[in-house]
Amino acid sequence: GENVEQHPSTLSVQEGDSAVIKCTYSDSASNYFPWYKQELGKRPQLIIDIRSNVGEKKDQRIAVTLNKTAKHFSLHITETQPEDSAVYFCAATLSSGSARQLTFGSGTQLTVLP
Amino acid sequence: SAVISQKPSRDICQRGTSLTIQCQVDSQVTMMFWYRQQPGQSLTLIATANQGSEATYESGFVIDKFPISRPNLTFSTLTVSNMSPEDSSIYLCSATVGNGYTFGSGTRLTVV
Repeated sequence: GENVEQHPSTLSVQEGDSAVIKCTYSDSASNYFPWYKQELGKRPQLIIDIRSNVGEKKDQRIAVTLNKTAKHFSLHITETQPEDSAVYFCAATLSSGSARQLTFGSGTQLTVLP
Repeated sequence: SAVISQKPSRDICQRGTSLTIQCQVDSQVTMMFWYRQQPGQSLTLIATANQGSEATYESGFVIDKFPISRPNLTFSTLTVSNMSPEDSSIYLCSATVGNGYTFGSGTRLTVV
């Protein structure tokens, strides 16, 4: 089955700096890679996702890059703000006609220091 | 995007008892997923629930401990049976709607 590794486990940045979180996956068949933000006591919220037919996707201050050959993908947050502080999870799955479960990375606790 | 209503949001239960968690989706979905999230940890899949068939359980999770019902395309329940303190965790349901996966608000279970 799929295995997703995520690094770093904790990340502290100064407000305004950039943050990068990296994930690798094991199953070359996986083709859908979402990123979730989870604030304390809340449900995971999808912040951005990417499919294997593209290499990069941006949404305002957030971007995700995918390297299918190396089987890794990364989350980039620019101009970080204190409200970006949360736990971030990457995930991977094979998205096909029938839904399949997400396999999650271990999470990154991001702290943005004012 | 879809909305998943999950209840209860939290409960404190005595060991040896059972708790049933309910998830209601505001649209029809083929598959629903149940995850466990232990404190400070990632999400671990318990089982996949397909309407009209038996749930498929991941390694380490068994039907006798975590029975699941999926009576229709908008609803599912997970029961945590014969609870012990080790079952204290957050339980989340999830479903794919459109192109993404949506989560319920979670059930924080404490077993005493």
